[in-house]
Amino acid sequence: SQQGEEDPQALSIQEGENATMNCSYKTSINNLQWYRQNSGRGLVHLILIRSNEREKHSGRLRVTLDTSKKSSSLLITASRAADTASYFCATDIKAAGNKLTFGGGTRVLVKP
Amino acid sequence: KAGVTQTPRYLIKTRGQQVTLSCSPISGHRSVSWYQQTPGQGLQFLFEYFSETQRNKGNFPGRFSGRQFSNSRSEMNVSTLELGDSALYLCASSRLTTGLGYGYTFGSGTRLTVV
Repeated sequence: SQQGEEDPQALSIQEGENATMNCSYKTSINNLQWYRQNSGRGLVHLILIRSNEREKHSGRLRVTLDTSKKSSSLLITASRAADTASYFCATDIKAAGNKLTFGGGTRVLVKP
Repeated sequence: KAGVTQTPRYLIKTRGQQVTLSCSPISGHRSVSWYQQTPGQGLQFLFEYFSETQRNKGNFPGRFSGRQFSNSRSEMNVSTLELGDSALYLCASSRLTTGLGYGYTFGSGTRLTVV
């Protein structure tokens, strides 16, 4: 079963616009991670936010975490056509060793 | 440094056969985990190995098994293949003993098609 649910399932925007996607999860976590996947290839790690952090930035990416609501959001600013991909949140839950539980993903299409 | 290497990239097998997939983690990474990705079920955790020991196992039947060698390379095996085993199988390596904060590096995956 999946720990997280992502919203929306799909997103279509114009180049230069911002893209926001949300992730909800169910159990206490060590950290929450976001990954990108291009066309059924491998996953690329984007950013990790620990359970005691509320916001994190990396380049054009901004991630927030609200542990009281068990939710996270990923914002991609000034999107580019190359950002077209599927984005997944993954939770690393306490006492589970190295095991990620993924959400269903958000498919993002950035139109030039 | 080299990334996570998965071989083969593509595989076509017949129902009832067995298959072995290979994963070479990043040098120095001792944790290797495996995931199955299908359109219907999404990304699901299969199992994780650390220092040749299986530490975690997902909810998959016993037909799915794995092992890790002393050089941290890992293999997973699926016996008596079913059509539903068609999927992208992803391997991820991590340097840390637990997921305390550095993310995982994934390979490009092995796409298995069962006919």
